Amino acid sequence: AQSVTQLDSHVSVSEGTPVLLRCNYSSSYSPSLFWYVQHPNKGLQLLLKYTSAATLVKGINGFEAEFKKSETSFHLTKPSAHMSDAAEYFCGGGYQKVTFGTGTKLQVIP
Amino acid sequence: GAVVSQHPSWVICKSGTSVKIECRSLDFQATTMFWYRQFPKQSLMLMATSNEGSKATYEQGVEKDKFLINHASLTLSTLTVTSAHPEDSSFYICSARRSGNEQFFGPGTRLTVL
Repeated sequence: AQSVTQLDSHVSVSEGTPVLLRCNYSSSYSPSLFWYVQHPNKGLQLLLKYTSAATLVKGINGFEAEFKKSETSFHLTKPSAHMSDAAEYFCGGGYQKVTFGTGTKLQVIP
Repeated sequence: GAVVSQHPSWVICKSGTSVKIECRSLDFQATTMFWYRQFPKQSLMLMATSNEGSKATYEQGVEKDKFLINHASLTLSTLTVTSAHPEDSSFYICSARRSGNEQFFGPGTRLTVL
């Protein structure tokens, strides 16, 4: 079975500075990993997904994530935070069904 | 991208009543749909996997008689919360899987049971 762990429940950055949201996975086989974003009272929107084609995955809104097998990590990054990035971010994994981490709330300070 | 809708977006009901939530894939056929619930400030918890034309598969700890799921067509799945109680108040989100394993999520339904 595959599981994911988000290490930070809350991250706060200043507008224009880099964003790093951490996610580690555990899987007995090659994982399928995702990052989703959820704005208040909204559903989830897929940011990006890893499916073994490339270790560096580029997503929407300038986000990207790098799959590092040696570290069992799939951290989400963005070079420069925007106010509109403030939301809840979920790392997820799985093939037939997706299980989610506990989420990281990103706060962007003007 | 593919669009998934949910209806209603929010509902308030009295304790003991039943509530039905619809999940529709608007521009694609989904052989599999998933139902999640999300408590405030918590992650999404998978409740069940719904396959068109067959019985839903429930996750451990989810009462199938409490949360009735019907997947009548390739574009519609419904979740009925039977005899709702205040502890059932939550944000319910569905997702639909298209070919290629990607899931598309609905906007969610906020259920409040008084």
